[in-house]
Amino acid sequence: GEDVEQSLFLSVREGDSSVINCTYTDSSSTYLYWYKQEPGAGLQLLTYIFSNMDMKQDQRLTVLLNKKDKHLSLRIADTQTGDSAIYFCADDGGGADGLTFGKGTHLIIQP
Amino acid sequence: DTAVSQTPKYLVTQMGNDKSIKCEQNLGHDTMYWYKQDSKKFLKIMFSYNNKELIINETVPNRFSPKSPDKAHLNLHINSLELGDSAVYFCASTPGQGYEQYFGPGTRLTVT
Repeated sequence: GEDVEQSLFLSVREGDSSVINCTYTDSSSTYLYWYKQEPGAGLQLLTYIFSNMDMKQDQRLTVLLNKKDKHLSLRIADTQTGDSAIYFCADDGGGADGLTFGKGTHLIIQP
Repeated sequence: DTAVSQTPKYLVTQMGNDKSIKCEQNLGHDTMYWYKQDSKKFLKIMFSYNNKELIINETVPNRFSPKSPDKAHLNLHINSLELGDSAVYFCASTPGQGYEQYFGPGTRLTVT
């Protein structure tokens, strides 16, 4: 089946930039998403990118997409303690049958 | 107003029981989903439901069955609960492909 891969942990210092990487296998993906989950909470959509774009910026968030390599990244500038969460990459497989999620990257902020 | 709501928020039950989790969306969306998040936080699609068309992830046991009494609701029924069913279950909805999926707050199911 289709697969989405991400590193399980990322540790950064407060104020630095965080870059969370994701690779996917489904070549028919239309949209790719980044979701944030804080401890004990639900899923919050952070941003998404259409597959024919290579970059999207939204305030402190920058998404880069390399469709050829099927590589997606999320950059968080000036990382704050409130950014501590699990970040999930997801793709739609080109349809509306549900998202395929990566295993989530735990972002750990060091003071 | 809550867009996607689930009840109950917490459910503790014994092995072998049958239970249901309810999901309602007031967004007028056509497609609804159930996802399971296990103890390692891994999220997987279980079902998608659109206009009476149900798509089932092949890994989901047939003890799980979604029921949609109307377009705004997709309830999850689980028969003969097992310890491994303990997880957080998320309902979601979307207007269609390419739109954001709106997630409910989750239901934490604990099977003892």
